[in-house]
Amino acid sequence: SQQGEEDPQALSIQEGENATMNCSYKTSINNLQWYRQNSGRGLVHLILIRSNEREKHSGRLRVTLDTSKKSSSLLITASRAADTASYFCATDASWGNNNDMRFGAGTRLTVKP
Amino acid sequence: AAGVIQSPRHLIKEKRETATLKCYPIPRHDTVYWYQQGPGQDPQFLISFYEKMQSDKGSIPDRFSAQQFSDYHSELNMSSLELGDSALYFCASSPDGENEKLFFGSGTQLSVL
Repeated sequence: SQQGEEDPQALSIQEGENATMNCSYKTSINNLQWYRQNSGRGLVHLILIRSNEREKHSGRLRVTLDTSKKSSSLLITASRAADTASYFCATDASWGNNNDMRFGAGTRLTVKP
Repeated sequence: AAGVIQSPRHLIKEKRETATLKCYPIPRHDTVYWYQQGPGQDPQFLISFYEKMQSDKGSIPDRFSAQQFSDYHSELNMSSLELGDSALYFCASSPDGENEKLFFGSGTQLSVL
């Protein structure tokens, strides 16, 4: 990937369980965002966390950011079959002209009903 | 609400042909991004425009060029197509040039035969 790796590459869980996905990146950042993609469709923005934040919540989503380790995690609680999708992190590098969003490799989440 | 519109939805070309993909960003969004996504891959950043000027450049081959017009729509021109160019091409737009939330189109599926 252009920015970093995501871990795991694939995750399969039962409905109601929690899903945790991790993302690592390479450069200093202004913010990190998580996106969701259903197969063959456009990506949808889920949540943004700024470089000076450590944790953020939005509904069933919880994102953490550790800038010292250049890593982030996305937790989806009480998963549903409809959460089945690929999840990508994207980073806004803190250098350059600043219109350069790079995506990680993605985690394919399958939630079994 | 208006979304990012991409055309065509599907495109089939032969090797060495040219292709032009179009993107119409959300009204009043001043930044446009182009991404290439191969099967099972993460979106690869190609190029971005801010206020009709090229802003950042990623993994865009020399055979590709892009521009943003006075009405803010953007076109990705691809020449001397190769089999490896077969991919889903996404356009995204964001307001204010701040990379805080990208809105993606549904993509153009390009198949090079």
